[in-house]
Amino acid sequence: QLRLQESGPGLVKPSETLSLTCTVSGGSISSTDHFWGWIRQPPGRGLEWIGSIYYSGSTYSNPSLKSRVTLSVDTSRNQFSLKLSSFTAADTAVYYCARRRRYYYGSGSYLGYFDYWGQGALGTVSS
Amino acid sequence: DIQLTQSPSTLSASVGDRVTITCRASQSVNTWLAWYQQKPGKAPKLLIYKASSLESGVPSRFSGSGSGTEFTLTISSLQPDDLATYHCQQYNSYPTFGGGTKVEIK
Repeated sequence: QLRLQESGPGLVKPSETLSLTCTVSGGSISSTDHFWGWIRQPPGRGLEWIGSIYYSGSTYSNPSLKSRVTLSVDTSRNQFSLKLSSFTAADTAVYYCARRRRYYYGSGSYLGYFDYWGQGALGTVSS
Repeated sequence: DIQLTQSPSTLSASVGDRVTITCRASQSVNTWLAWYQQKPGKAPKLLIYKASSLESGVPSRFSGSGSGTEFTLTISSLQPDDLATYHCQQYNSYPTFGGGTKVEIK
């Protein structure tokens, strides 16, 4: 059974960088049928996609966050990571890592839905 | 970006009731839409993908329908375990989610 687990310091000083890592177990991060992504959820609010990465290092990010987001992957450790810079109170949220299915339609391949999720890690501003 | 609007935002129903949640997109997403269930304090869980395909292991009382800009998630017979917030997500372009529908049991 695939498992994803977020880790990293949950408290971030204002204007500094949130760093989180997702460790994948029970499956390979080098799967050609999947991307790996980050989604966040502010307290009491809806979900927001942050970005997705392929095992080769190809990335896609939410245009509203793209300038502050860095995604990376370490296939030797079966891990992928998120860095969100210039952190403010507005970025306080539960951060989820998830596996994203790649699907094939016509002559192309596309990025789809999220079929496995980690339990989430709270990222919040420290005063 | 594509906006998704869910209705209602909250609903209260009795065990055994048929429940329907609607998700409307600001532009066509074809059938590239998924539904998730999120129980309190937990991560979302995939229920439906491609508008109407049931994810493996999900009870058959859950079903999805729709295409273009209007979609529905139906629970045919509400169970106590279905207490949760339900989210739709489109993947026709970069992913966006609806605001969620909280389902309460009367």
